[in-house]
Amino acid sequence: QQQVKQSPQSLIVQKGGISIINCAYENTAFDYFPWYQQFPGKGPALLIAIRPDVSEKKEGRFTISFNKSAKQFSLHIMDSQPGDSATYFCAAEKGSNYKLTFGKGTLLTVNP
Amino acid sequence: EADIYQTPRYLVIGTGKKITLECSQTMGHDKMYWYQQDPGMELHLIHYSYGVNSTEKGDLSSESTVSRIRTEHFPLTLESARPSHTSQYLCATRSTSGANVLTFGAGSRLTVL
Repeated sequence: QQQVKQSPQSLIVQKGGISIINCAYENTAFDYFPWYQQFPGKGPALLIAIRPDVSEKKEGRFTISFNKSAKQFSLHIMDSQPGDSATYFCAAEKGSNYKLTFGKGTLLTVNP
Repeated sequence: EADIYQTPRYLVIGTGKKITLECSQTMGHDKMYWYQQDPGMELHLIHYSYGVNSTEKGDLSSESTVSRIRTEHFPLTLESARPSHTSQYLCATRSTSGANVLTFGAGSRLTVL
């Protein structure tokens, strides 16, 4: 049973465009939703995270939108740059669990 | 940058060999994790530890074993490697105070011939 479903599996965007990656979760007890970014040959690194008490969080060009009733959250990358080309993972967790469940990942390619 | 060290970074071995992947951290974090990453990207939790002498199996069944004798070390061992064990193994740590962020090492890429 996949608790966090991520789409699309891959995404190609032109430089300057908006990249959007979506995730849906099933467990209503989840209360922490981070996004991780992974470059080739590196481990994933935390990009941005949100808790369900807010509907949106923005850090620079990266925004998380959160819809609690639909059990969905998404990552928006504004003004996408070739340097943003990486694999992105959404994840979810029940606070006291300390075990993140990851989506399957999205390979983002930003063409110059 | 996180101080998580994984060795070796790359390992190619034959079937039946015993291997140990090392993971060490200098941050004093109690919680440590091993994730297996498929060639197609997906991350699966295979082992975790919440402190010394505490180890648990993760969501994905694995033939590997782990130990946590010291806070800073969390090695993963395969007694008899098989081609199905070919994967990337990522070690991670987490503090339960402050930012409470899961931080990954660079990974160990294992190929079993």
